[in-house]
Amino acid sequence: SQQGEEDPQALSIQEGENATMNCSYKTSINNLQWYRQNSGRGLVHLILIRSNEREKHSGRLRVTLDTSKKSSSLLITASRAADTASYFCATDANTPLVFGKGTRLSVIA
Amino acid sequence: DTEVTQTPKHLVMGMTNKKSLKCEQHMGHRAMYWYKQKAKKPPELMFVYSYEKLSINESVPSRFSPECPNSSLLNLHLHALQPEDSALYLCASSQDYANTEAFFGQGTRLTVV
Repeated sequence: SQQGEEDPQALSIQEGENATMNCSYKTSINNLQWYRQNSGRGLVHLILIRSNEREKHSGRLRVTLDTSKKSSSLLITASRAADTASYFCATDANTPLVFGKGTRLSVIA
Repeated sequence: DTEVTQTPKHLVMGMTNKKSLKCEQHMGHRAMYWYKQKAKKPPELMFVYSYEKLSINESVPSRFSPECPNSSLLNLHLHALQPEDSALYLCASSQDYANTEAFFGQGTRLTVV
C-alpha cells in the first residue's frame, strides 16, 4: 500500500537553482526518509527525520517535517546536473518502508 | 562494507523457466527485503525477512518464492512467471525491522518473454 504522495510529479530546473519537493502522508509515523534513485538503479538513502524533529540539514539538502499537516519537504540548494534523479519519500511506523510515488527531477546544465 | 550486492544485473527468462535472484550483504543487518518496481512507479514491498524468518509476505503470488539461507543472503526463486512480472527487483537490508535507513542493491532487471 502507498503512504506518501510527492508533489510535483516532475520538476525541471536550471543548474544552480533550488529544487523543492513535497510529500504528504496519511497515517502517523515514526520517521520519514528521503531516497534518490538514478534511472533504473537502486535507491540511495539521503536523510531520515524523526517524528519529533522539524528540520534537518545534510550538505545541500534541507528537510522539514510538519506532523500536524502530515507533510514533509525536501529542498536541494544550488542544484547540479548530477542531481537529476527520482526522489522518493518513505514512511515507517514500526513497519517496513512504504514509498510515495516520487518526483522526477531534471536539472538542465 | 556498506554494499548490498544483487546478481544477476539483468535476466531474461521464458514463462516456463525457473531462475533465482540473489542478494548479499555483510553489514550485519538483521532485516532484508524484496521490492518490485515497475517503470515510473515507486518500489512495492514483496517480502520481509527479520532475523532470517519470513515476517511479511505482501500477498505475493506463489510463483515468487523467497529464501533466506543465512543472515547475509537472500534469494528470490522464480517459476512460471508472466510477462507482467517484468520489472526491476530490488533487494534491501536494514539494521532492524523498522525505524532505520535501508540500503538498496542496484537491482535485477527482469524480463519475462
